Amino acid sequence: NAGVTQTPKFRVLKTGQSMTLLCAQDMNHEYMYWYRQDPGMGLRLIHYSVGEGTTAKGEVPDGYNVSRLKKQNFLLGLESAAPSQTSVYFCASSKTGTSGGADTQYFGPGTRLTVL
Amino acid sequence: RKEVEQDPGPFNVPEGATVAFNCTYSNSASQSFFWYRQDCRKEPKLLMSVYSSGNEDGRFTAQLNRASQYISLLIRDSKLSDSATYLCVVNYGGFKTIFGAGTRLFVKA
Repeated sequence: NAGVTQTPKFRVLKTGQSMTLLCAQDMNHEYMYWYRQDPGMGLRLIHYSVGEGTTAKGEVPDGYNVSRLKKQNFLLGLESAAPSQTSVYFCASSKTGTSGGADTQYFGPGTRLTVL
Repeated sequence: RKEVEQDPGPFNVPEGATVAFNCTYSNSASQSFFWYRQDCRKEPKLLMSVYSSGNEDGRFTAQLNRASQYISLLIRDSKLSDSATYLCVVNYGGFKTIFGAGTRLFVKA
């Protein structure tokens, strides 16, 4: 049982390049999330998904797109990377959503992205 | 004003000490509260939920004060392994979950 995994672990991009971050979970969780974490700031929600085939915007969605074609996978795409997107990206999953009684979120190990 | 505020620290304490962190939140409609722990360059992990009546898990005690809109975490008999960043997390309902920036704790031998 690997929990939540993320690939790649590290990546350096040039401004304008594109890339996709992959998140996979083997806990059969319905809900998945993408966050970014910057120094001095808390985790900020980029996009989330409440189930296969569904996605929704979080607090900071601009410049990112996501897809959830399979229940276990949640992809985060950067179409044209900018230096402001340099950050650590965490994927998380939970059994249920954070509606009412919020459920525990399980995080992946993170992807450190640098955009030059 | 940030929705969830924490003292960034660092708190430097000797082994065996008792240390307490506070976290304030601005939205009175907050519904659920948590403390997560994040080790250096690692992912956050749930430490404990925070209940209105207060709750304890071994050396860790969490308290919620809705009237003053703050939550606290008390760590007794600190261990070297407690060195980490502690994130205060508040859920306002739906998918509105706000993470604090964290309080860094260093426990020294």
